[in-house]
Amino acid sequence: DQQVKQNSPSLSVQEGRISILNCDYTNSMFDYFLWYKKYPAEGPTFLISISSIKDKNEDGRFTVFLNKSAKHLSLHIVPSQPGDSAVYFCAATGPGNNDMRFGAGTRLTVKP
Amino acid sequence: SQTIHQWPATLVQPVGSPLSLECTVEGTSNPNLYWYRQAAGRGLQLLFYSIGIGQISSEVPQNLSASRPQDRQFILSSKKLLLSDSGFYLCAWSGAGQESQYFGPGTRLLVL
Repeated sequence: DQQVKQNSPSLSVQEGRISILNCDYTNSMFDYFLWYKKYPAEGPTFLISISSIKDKNEDGRFTVFLNKSAKHLSLHIVPSQPGDSAVYFCAATGPGNNDMRFGAGTRLTVKP
Repeated sequence: SQTIHQWPATLVQPVGSPLSLECTVEGTSNPNLYWYRQAAGRGLQLLFYSIGIGQISSEVPQNLSASRPQDRQFILSSKKLLLSDSGFYLCAWSGAGQESQYFGPGTRLLVL
């Protein structure tokens, strides 16, 4: 039962352009959403998050948008840099934070 | 500051052998602790989580088990490994009431 889905396994973007990574969820009880970035052979690192009471959260080059009615969130990276190349995981959690669900990940490649 | 350690970093084990992966957290008390597995081409799957010493919740039935003998120690075990147990195992922690989880460096397990 995959409650968090990232339908694009990979994305390739030119340096300086915008990267948009998408994520869909099915569980309406989720109220907090996170994005993690992962390099090969390393643990994921927290990138940015958003509460369900907001529809946008911005941190430098990274912005997360949440559309609750569509159960959809996206991560925008502007401008994209080669160092952003990694696998990005979308995650969602509900009240209590004991059950975080992750998407399958999207591999972003930013070309110089 | 808080840090999370996992060892070993890499492990090659024969089918049918036992397993013990260890995770420790420093710089915090009474963390929530988690074990995840990332199989090849798949996202992060939550295996176990713990909200306190001796308290373990299992998300997926399998031949793995977890224990929390001390407040900041989380152990993943198996009595007999299967080929399908190969993967990248990640330990994570979160503060009580906090949504964000912080991951360790991971252990790459190859079962032959």
